[in-house]
Amino acid sequence: QSALTQPASVSGSPGQSIAISCTGTSSDVGGYNYVSWYQHHPGKAPKLMIYDVSERPSGVSDRFSGSKSGNTASLTISGLQAEDEADYYCSSYTSSSTWVFGGGTKLTVL
Amino acid sequence: QVQLQESGPGLVKPSQTLSLTCTVSGASISSGGYYWSWIRQPAGKGLEWIGRMYTSGSSNYNPSLKSRVTISVDTSKNQFSLKVNSVTAADTAIYYCARGYYDWSSYDYWGQGALVTVSA
Repeated sequence: QSALTQPASVSGSPGQSIAISCTGTSSDVGGYNYVSWYQHHPGKAPKLMIYDVSERPSGVSDRFSGSKSGNTASLTISGLQAEDEADYYCSSYTSSSTWVFGGGTKLTVL
Repeated sequence: QVQLQESGPGLVKPSQTLSLTCTVSGASISSGGYYWSWIRQPAGKGLEWIGRMYTSGSSNYNPSLKSRVTISVDTSKNQFSLKVNSVTAADTAIYYCARGYYDWSSYDYWGQGALVTVSA
C-alpha cells in the first residue's frame, strides 16, 4: 500500500487559516469516510484531531475542521495559534482492511 | 485517563527479532469496540502502520511487513506485544502503540513511542 500524499510543509501567520491536503486513491480516501487527522509534537504522543473525515473528538478546538472531495481529504485550521505548530498526519482505512498514513506535513506558525 | 507505554530493548542486532510490549492503564484491553495496533516512524519519515489485533484474535497486518510481524495480546497483564523477525537497518524507527476505536475508525490514544535501533 502506498502512503497518502501530503505537502511536506505549510505555514501561516497567527490568526490566519491554512489547509493541509491528503491525497489517496479510490481504495482508501475516496472509498471510505474513514479519514482521520493527527497532530504530533515530536517527542510526544500523537493526538487525534479529526475522525470520520470531519468529526472532532471532545476537547479538540472547533478551529480544526476536516472535509473530503473525491480522493482528497483536507484539514483546515482557522485562527492559527503558536501552539498549532506541529506535524500533522492524515490516515485512511483501506480496501485491504488495513490503515495507511500520509507522509506528514510540518506546520510552521510564522 | 487511558495511557499506553511502550517498553523493550532499544538496540537490536541485524537478523534478530525486535520485541516490544505496550502496557495499557486506565482501560481494560478486553473491552469490546477497540483494537490494538503498532505504528512506526523511521527517522525523517512519516508514520507507517504495522498492524492491529482484536482481543478476539482477529488481526490485520501491513502487506509489506506481514511475513515478519506478529502482534499478540495478553489480557491477563493488560498488555499487547509486537515481534518483528529478521530485522535490518530499515526497521530502525520510533515504534508507537495505539488504541483503535472501532466506532471512530481511528486511533484515540497513543503511547509516546520507543526508539529501536538496528545495528551490530
